[in-house]
Amino acid sequence: GAVVSQHPSWVICKSGTSVKIECRSLDFQATTMFWYRQFPKQSLMLMATSNEGSKATYEQGVEKDKFLINHASLTLSTLTVTSAHPEDSSFYICSAREDLNTEAFFGQGTRLTVV
Amino acid sequence: DAKTTQPNSMESNEEEPVHLPCNHSTISGTDYIHWYRQLPSQGPEYVIHGLTSNVNNRMASLAIAEDRKSSTLILHRATLRDAAVYYCILRDVTSGTYKYIFGTGTRLKVLA
Repeated sequence: GAVVSQHPSWVICKSGTSVKIECRSLDFQATTMFWYRQFPKQSLMLMATSNEGSKATYEQGVEKDKFLINHASLTLSTLTVTSAHPEDSSFYICSAREDLNTEAFFGQGTRLTVV
Repeated sequence: DAKTTQPNSMESNEEEPVHLPCNHSTISGTDYIHWYRQLPSQGPEYVIHGLTSNVNNRMASLAIAEDRKSSTLILHRATLRDAAVYYCILRDVTSGTYKYIFGTGTRLKVLA
């Protein structure tokens, strides 16, 4: 299957700082990327959907000013957690697909720990 | 978004077939049925998908009920590496968003 890569795999940051997570589609051009958050022992929760060159569409209850998503190119989307707090500690996963009729492929995830 | 219902957990012996059920009684005619699995501390991995007909690939088979209100993922010979959480997801291709909403999934335990 297609390859989606996230960086970093894990990050520890201090409370109040911002953290940027990158999601890259390595062998295809992703018109759409999705960002999920997963807490321990729970399922994935969709945070937002981003289309290349457009503003992200956030799911209900997700603060768009806190979780900044940029999808500036067909191979790169970034999620920035601004003013991170311990409750933002979670496993963040991105997903990308080439077009509406193709499967979505997932990155390996980024574990964020805010101390 | 149409919802799916799966058992929380299942167990299987190694080398034996596994049938993972999924109920989706509110499925619409345009919803594709997708299966992904997630190993610990990894992102989900695509397994298989289908619309109406049964599907086979190198990883698994997908059996879809005639009324499409349920489906079953079949792993023909479970191995220890198949231990994961399996998610059954419906994707509505007419909604415009085509997003994947994950349910609780089934945690498969494979016994040696």
